[in-house]
Parts: sequence; C-alpha cells; structure tokens
Amino acid sequence: AQSVTQLGSHVSVSEGALVLLRCNYSSSVPPYLFWYVQYPNQGLQLLLKYTTGATLVKGINGFEAEFKKSETSFHLTKPSAHMSDAAEYFCAVSEGTGGFKTIFGAGTRLFVKA
Amino acid sequence: NAGVTQTPKFRVLKTGQSMTLLCAQDMNHEYMYWYRQDPGMGLRLIHYSVGEGTTAKGEVPDGYNVSRLKKQNFLLGLESAAPSQTSVYFCASSYPGQGSFQETQYFGPGTRLLVL
Repeated sequence: AQSVTQLGSHVSVSEGALVLLRCNYSSSVPPYLFWYVQYPNQGLQLLLKYTTGATLVKGINGFEAEFKKSETSFHLTKPSAHMSDAAEYFCAVSEGTGGFKTIFGAGTRLFVKA
Repeated sequence: NAGVTQTPKFRVLKTGQSMTLLCAQDMNHEYMYWYRQDPGMGLRLIHYSVGEGTTAKGEVPDGYNVSRLKKQNFLLGLESAAPSQTSVYFCASSYPGQGSFQETQYFGPGTRLLVL
C-alpha cells in the first residue's frame, strides 16, 4: 500500500531564506508524485508533479522538487522565500490512473517571517 | 471558466439533520471527488465518480451518500449528521489525459460544516 509522510507539520523561514519541505513516500510501483498548495480559505492547487522522465521538476512560483527513488523522497524547495509563500503544502502520491488512487500527506504549514 | 464551485460555503447543522453539498465543474471533466480535510490528517477521499451515473466509495464513505446524475455535478449527502462529520469538505475534478497516466485534480474552495 502506498503512503506519504511529510516531515514537520510547521516550518518557519525568514523572507529570502531557502524553503525546504520534506516528503517521503512508499509505493509498490513507480509512483506519480505531486505537491499541492493551499492558501487560507481556498482549495488546493497544483504546484508541480512528477510522472516520468526528468527527476527534477519545476513548478509555479519558483518551486521545484526532485524525485529520488533511492531515498523514496520528493522534497520541495525554493531558493528564496517570499511572504506570499505562506500557506499549507501537501505532498501526494498515486500508484495508478485516476485521482481516487491518490494519497495525500498530512500537510506542512509554511510560515514566512519578515 | 468558473472551474470547480461548491455550495454552500459554510453551514451549521444540528445532530441528526440532513443536508446536501453541491459541486459543479465547467471543465468537462470525467472524474469527480469528494474529500474531507481535518487538522493533521490531510485530505481523505469520501466518494468519487468516474463518469455520469457512476459512483464509488473512497477511504471514509460511512455516513455519506453521493449522486452524479449530470456530468458537471456531484452531490454529497449527509442523511443524519453527526459531530464527527464537522470538517471542511472539498470537491475536485480531473480529466484522464490522453496518453497521460495521471491527471491533475482541480479543487473547489471548500465547504465548512459544523455539526452541533
């Protein structure tokens, strides 16, 4: 069975600092991996996704993530945090066709200090 | 395009009352989903639909029913609300892309439900 673990329910960084949100997964087949972002009182929106091919995936708003099969990780990074990045971030894994096979992590809330 | 919309945005129910949450999408997506979001637990799938007239159970279906009579609408019903159903409910939709093994889910803004 697949699972997703996000390390740290809360992460705080200073504006301009590196953002690193950690995600580890388990899957019995080559997974499809996602990061979604949720701003206050809004639904989730896709930041980036990995399906096949290049393991470094670039998303919106300057975020990127690298699929590391040997470490079963898909960590999300951004070189320089902006106040507008404050939100909750969800990592998700899927083993098959259809969103009904997608499992979401518990989420990491990112705080950005001025 | 409005994307995915949800009605209502917020509702307070008493234990035992019933209600229906409405989800509508204008992207002609085949798949639709209902999730609940609880603190520290991420999103959990309640029910989903892979097409008009078809529905299936997700991870936490007990106490909920759904219907998809039209492709663009997906209704979530609570027949007899319980305090444990206090949550934020999200609807999502997706389209299985041609040649693409996985598709992106598009989420609505959510419905906050409080059951007293």
